[in-house]
Amino acid sequence: AIQMTQSPSSLSASVGDRVTITCRASQGISNDLGWYQQKPGKAPKLLIYAASHLQSGVPSRFSGSGSGTEFTLTISSLQPEDFATYYCLQDSDYPWTFGQGTKVESK
Amino acid sequence: EVQLVESGGALVQPGRSLRLSCAASGFRLEDFAMHWVRQVPGKSLEWVAGITWNSATIYYGDSVQGRFTVSRDNAKNSLFLQLSSLTTEDTAFYFCARRQDVFQGGALDSWGQGALVTVSS
Repeated sequence: AIQMTQSPSSLSASVGDRVTITCRASQGISNDLGWYQQKPGKAPKLLIYAASHLQSGVPSRFSGSGSGTEFTLTISSLQPEDFATYYCLQDSDYPWTFGQGTKVESK
Repeated sequence: EVQLVESGGALVQPGRSLRLSCAASGFRLEDFAMHWVRQVPGKSLEWVAGITWNSATIYYGDSVQGRFTVSRDNAKNSLFLQLSSLTTEDTAFYFCARRQDVFQGGALDSWGQGALVTVSS
């Protein structure tokens, strides 16, 4: 199975900060990667699909980049509602695999 | 409005079985592949299984292969997950999710609220 290594596992940031989260795949997955946001007690929400495409309705401060084995989720200016846990998911090869998650907390 | 609603979560003893359902509304279920994802409370997400629109191809995660069975009834707008030979490690919230068309990215674009399965004696 493809392993997804996500970093950092947690970070502390302030409103207005630029935040970057990384996922590394154990083998190439082209651009078959999505980023999801999850808040406590809620289902995950799709933010980015195909590595760099913004899902409809998601604020433009979220962006994704990368291809092959290295991927990045960037929040350009962190907002209060962005404090949450973020996951990457490779949908290139079965079994699909998630990263371990990054919890974004208030500094 | 696209909506997915899971049901069937329960407290069950180790070794027993349980069937989860996912009711879809606001879209034609037959147009989409569907997936199950689970999450131990406080832990990361784990992909469980996926089924194509016509049930022709089904995939399972390694930890559930041979014990869980996913199925669907497009006429009833419903997705199912049969859980068998349950162990305490299967205790989790189980989410059903819709997969985007692969030509539009193939990610999981809509999710249910989750059903809690607790395996305990």
